[in-house]
Amino acid sequence: QVTLKESGPVLVKPTETLTLTCTVSGFSLSNARMGVSWIRQPPGKALEWLAHIFSNDEKSYSTSLKSRLTISKDTSKSQVVLTMTNMDPVDTATYYCARIIGDYVVDYWGQGTLVTVSS
Amino acid sequence: QSALTQPASVSGSPGQSITISCTGTSSDVGGYNYVSWYQQHPGKAPKLMIYDVSNRPSGVSNRFSGSKSGNTASLTISGLQAEDEADYYCSSYTSSILFGTGTKVTVL
Repeated sequence: QVTLKESGPVLVKPTETLTLTCTVSGFSLSNARMGVSWIRQPPGKALEWLAHIFSNDEKSYSTSLKSRLTISKDTSKSQVVLTMTNMDPVDTATYYCARIIGDYVVDYWGQGTLVTVSS
Repeated sequence: QSALTQPASVSGSPGQSITISCTGTSSDVGGYNYVSWYQQHPGKAPKLMIYDVSNRPSGVSNRFSGSKSGNTASLTISGLQAEDEADYYCSSYTSSILFGTGTKVTVL
């Protein structure tokens, strides 16, 4: 059974750095043609893809947020970490991690974690 | 990159069929057969309904079908049921992943 679970702070202050961890089970981060994406959704708004990392350590970032994002993985811990610097209130959103396979299909999602940016 | 364009809302009566469009460009929807559709109920994570334009994952009802013509992909829900009321998002590969603006489906 494939599961993903996000963890991290629920509240961050403006200008702070957000660090989110995705812990996966039911598959390995070393499986070929598999990876993990981070996707966010501001309250009442649409989904926005942020970044992904594949088993071969290939990484890709949203063009508009690239300068603020870093994604990494620890295969032995089955964890993927996303950091986002210089947080702003507009970054308030539910952050999801999700499994991505082969043809960039996001097939399993975590439950999401709501992060609020406020002083 | 701008989000893929979807209608804000679509509605239908139980038993009817509805179609949701997802319009992009030749650099995303039109350039690859990597269009997916997701269903999201309030307060829940999205669920994959269609991948690679027209393929259904195991466990997804065959009332859901997908297609593509040029730069526009479509999701059709036939035999509309109350449980289909949700938000629906398309996505496409484009050297990364681009999501649509989302469509709220209302069952009248």
